Amino acid sequence: GAVVSQHPSWVICKSGTSVKIECRSLDFQATTMFWYRQFPKQSLMLMATSNEGSKATYEQGVEKDKFLINHASLTLSTLTVTSAHPEDSSFYICSARDDRPFTEAFFGQGTRLTVV
Amino acid sequence: AQRVTQPEKLLSVFKGAPVELKCNYSYSGSPELFWYVQYSRQRLQLLLRHISRESIKGFTADLNKGETSFHLKKPFAQEEDSAMYYCAPPNNNDMRFGAGTRLTVKP
Repeated sequence: GAVVSQHPSWVICKSGTSVKIECRSLDFQATTMFWYRQFPKQSLMLMATSNEGSKATYEQGVEKDKFLINHASLTLSTLTVTSAHPEDSSFYICSARDDRPFTEAFFGQGTRLTVV
Repeated sequence: AQRVTQPEKLLSVFKGAPVELKCNYSYSGSPELFWYVQYSRQRLQLLLRHISRESIKGFTADLNKGETSFHLKKPFAQEEDSAMYYCAPPNNNDMRFGAGTRLTVKP
C-alpha cells in the first residue's frame, strides 16, 4: 500500500525556537494533506488541510502564524511550529490522499515534539 | 459541523464475544465511509471501506442510509483487536474525525 513518511519521529527543542516537521508521500501524488495534533489517549484534532500549491485552510482556533504549513509539491508538506512553547508539546500527525474518489487517507507515523 | 458520531468512547468486551462499534454520520451527499484503526504505538491505518464491502480481520461494516449508520461489527472479538477505532467523516475532503472508540478485549 501507499506510504506516508513523517520526519522526524521525535524532536526536542528549546522554548522560543522553531521546528519543522516533514510529511512525504512516497509512492503517490498527495493532492491533499492533513495535519493533526493528538493528545494522549485522545482523538486526532485536525489542525489544517492543505492542497498542493494553495494556502492551507486552518481549523478554528489554530494560529496560522504559529503553525506554518507549506504544501509546495505533490509529495511534500511541512509543518513549522514557530517560537515553540512548552504548551506546543504534543504528537503531530500528517495524512495524505490523492484526488481519486473512494480512496483512503494514508497516515504518517507521527512526530513527538517536546519543547523544554 | 460534526459529520460523524461515535457515541461510545470506551468499549470493553471479553475475548470471543461479539462486538459492535457504532458510527452515525450526517451528510447530504453520497458518503464515502471508512473505518480506521490505530493499534498501540502504530500509525492509523485503513481497516475497511464501505465501497468494497470487504471483511478485514473478521470485521464488517454495512452502510445503512436510512439510519445514516456505518457500524463496525465482529462476531468473535480477539485480544489483538484492542485498539482505537475511528469512523472517518463521510466527506473525504473534510477529515475531522470524531472522538473514536477505544476497544479493549479482555482475556
